[in-house]
Amino acid sequence: KQEVTQIPAALSVPEGENLVLNCSFTDSAIYNLQWFRQDPGKGLTSLLLIQSSQREQTSGRLNASLDKSSGRSTLYIAASQPGDSATYLCAVRAGGFKTIFGAGTRLFVKA
Amino acid sequence: GAVVSQHPSRVICKSGTSVKIECRSLDFQATTMFWYRQFPKQSLMLMATSNEGSKATYEQGVEKDKFLINHASLTLSTLTVTSAHPEDSSFYICSAGSTGATEAFFGQGTRLTVV
Repeated sequence: KQEVTQIPAALSVPEGENLVLNCSFTDSAIYNLQWFRQDPGKGLTSLLLIQSSQREQTSGRLNASLDKSSGRSTLYIAASQPGDSATYLCAVRAGGFKTIFGAGTRLFVKA
Repeated sequence: GAVVSQHPSRVICKSGTSVKIECRSLDFQATTMFWYRQFPKQSLMLMATSNEGSKATYEQGVEKDKFLINHASLTLSTLTVTSAHPEDSSFYICSAGSTGATEAFFGQGTRLTVV
């Protein structure tokens, strides 16, 4: 059974700091891995999707890496801003579209 | 990316009544739809998977008679919470995928409050 773990559960950083969010999964037989952002009381915003054959994806200040063999992914946020404050969810997809989510990392960026 | 519309975004209902939540794929045919539930400060938990024209497959611990899922067309799936109770208050999100696509797309969620 696939399990997804995110560390840390919560993180508070000053504005401008670079930071790394971690995600690990127990079954390396994944189709892809996706990072989402969720603002309080809101739905999901897809940030980056990495296919199983890829090592990383970049979008603006965000960079996500994937090491499928070790069951790990990281989300790197450069030059953090208060607007980055949200919960970040890591999700892995196995066969079909079944997606398993981690518990998330709650990020707070202080101005 | 493709658009999945979920309605309503918020609903408040009285205990004992039933509530229907709709999930529509607006610009693609969704062969598979998923329903998730999220309790406060927790992650999304998969409730059930539905394929168009077939009965939904429920995850362990999810009562199929309480959470009725219908996926009668390739663009619409509904989740009905029957005889709702305050403990059913939660955030419900659907996602939809089509055969051959690389990712599923998520609706914006429905905040259900049972009073």
